[in-house]
Amino acid sequence: DIQMTQSPSSLSASVEDRVTITCRASQSISSYVNWYQQKPGKAPELLIYAASSLQSGVPSRFSGSGSGTDFSLTISSLQSEDSATYYCQQSYSRLTTFGQGTRLEIK
Amino acid sequence: EVQLLESGGGLVQPGGSLRLSCAASGITFSTYAISWVRQAPGKGLECVSVISGSGGTTYYADSVKGRFTVSRDNSKNTQYLQMNSLRAEDTAIYYCVGHQLLSAGWFDSWGQGTLVTVSS
Repeated sequence: DIQMTQSPSSLSASVEDRVTITCRASQSISSYVNWYQQKPGKAPELLIYAASSLQSGVPSRFSGSGSGTDFSLTISSLQSEDSATYYCQQSYSRLTTFGQGTRLEIK
Repeated sequence: EVQLLESGGGLVQPGGSLRLSCAASGITFSTYAISWVRQAPGKGLECVSVISGSGGTTYYADSVKGRFTVSRDNSKNTQYLQMNSLRAEDTAIYYCVGHQLLSAGWFDSWGQGTLVTVSS
């Protein structure tokens, strides 16, 4: 199985801060990485697909980058509504796997 | 608009069985693969199964292989997750997810989830 390791597991930041979450794959997976946002009591929502493509309707302050084994999700100017848990996902293998999640708190 | 609606969750004793359903609307169902992603209380996301649009290809996580079976009835726009020999560690919210690629894709359509609790 391909393991996805996210860091940090949690962070606290202020409104308008720039925030970056990273994800490392246990083997090279090209650009087969997606990012999701999950708020309490809700299903996850797709933010970024294929490493760097912004899902329709997602604010442009969200961006993704990376290829191979190292990937990142960046929020350019943090807003209060961005408080959530973020997950990376690899879709390279037959059965997808997720990172363990990053809990983002707004100070 | 894609809508996925899970049903069938509930409380079951260890060793028991449960069948979850995922009813779809707003899509040409037979062109969508369906995955089940579960989330144990306070934990992360785990994909436990996927079935292709035709139903001819299925994959399972090692944690459920031999106990869970997926199937689909494209005439009813419904997909099923049969869960047998349930264990306490299967307790989770189970999300039905629709996606157009069997693999190498992304999960853009999620149901609201159904809670499965395995406890005596």
